[in-house]
Amino acid sequence: AAGVIQSPRHLIKEKRETATLKCYPIPRHDTVYWYQQGPGQDPQFLISFYEKMQSDKGSIPDRFSAQQFSDYHSELNMSSLELGDSALYFCASSSITAGTSIYEQYFGPGTRLTVT
Amino acid sequence: AQKVTQAQTEISVVEKEDVTLDCVYETRDTTYYLFWYKQPPSGELVFLIRRNSFDEQNEISGRYSWNFQKSTSSFNFTITASQVVDSAVYFCALSEEKDSSYKLIFGSGTRLLVRP
Repeated sequence: AAGVIQSPRHLIKEKRETATLKCYPIPRHDTVYWYQQGPGQDPQFLISFYEKMQSDKGSIPDRFSAQQFSDYHSELNMSSLELGDSALYFCASSSITAGTSIYEQYFGPGTRLTVT
Repeated sequence: AQKVTQAQTEISVVEKEDVTLDCVYETRDTTYYLFWYKQPPSGELVFLIRRNSFDEQNEISGRYSWNFQKSTSSFNFTITASQVVDSAVYFCALSEEKDSSYKLIFGSGTRLLVRP
C-alpha cells in the first residue's frame, strides 16, 4: 500500500539559508499535518491543512510557512534557518472521506534537517 | 488544555522481563483518541494502537497489551517477555480536535532499553 512520501530524507543547510520540505500524502487523503521533533524531544505539532486550507496552527515560527497544493501535496518552507531548527520533520496524512478513521494519522519517514 | 504525561523517562530491563510503560492524559473532550507509537533508532514513527474514549476494553496483540482506564485517565502499555528489538522510544499521544484538524499531542516519551 502507498505510504506518505517525504523528500528529501536528509538535508544540510547553513544558518540563514532557506529550506523546503515536501510531503506527498497517501492517495485520497485530504488532510496533512506537519510535526517537528528536536533531538531528544517529542514531536510537536506545527500546522495542518484540510482541503488545501489551513485548519490548525501550532507553535510554528513566523520564519516558516506552509501550503497544501491542488494535488494535496504540501510544502513546508523555512527561511533564515537557525541552529535550533535542526530536527526531524514529520508529515502525516489522514482522510475524512476515504473511509479510514479521521483520527488516524499515517506518518511519513521524516526529513532530517541539519543546520550548521 | 490537553496534556499527556509519561513519567518514566527511561527504563532498562533484561530480555524476557515484562515491562509496563505508563501514560496519563488530561482532556476536556468527551470524545478523544489515544495512541501509542514506537520510534526505533532509525527514527520513523511506528503506529502501535489507537483507542477511542468509548472503548475501555483492554487489548492484546501478541506480546503487547494495553490497559485503558478512564477513571484514572491512564492508558498503559505492557510488553510481555521483552526482546532486544523492543528497544526504542515509545510515545503516548492524544488527539485534539479543532475544526477539521485532529492534531496529536505527544507525551515526552519513554526510552526502553532491553539488554540481552
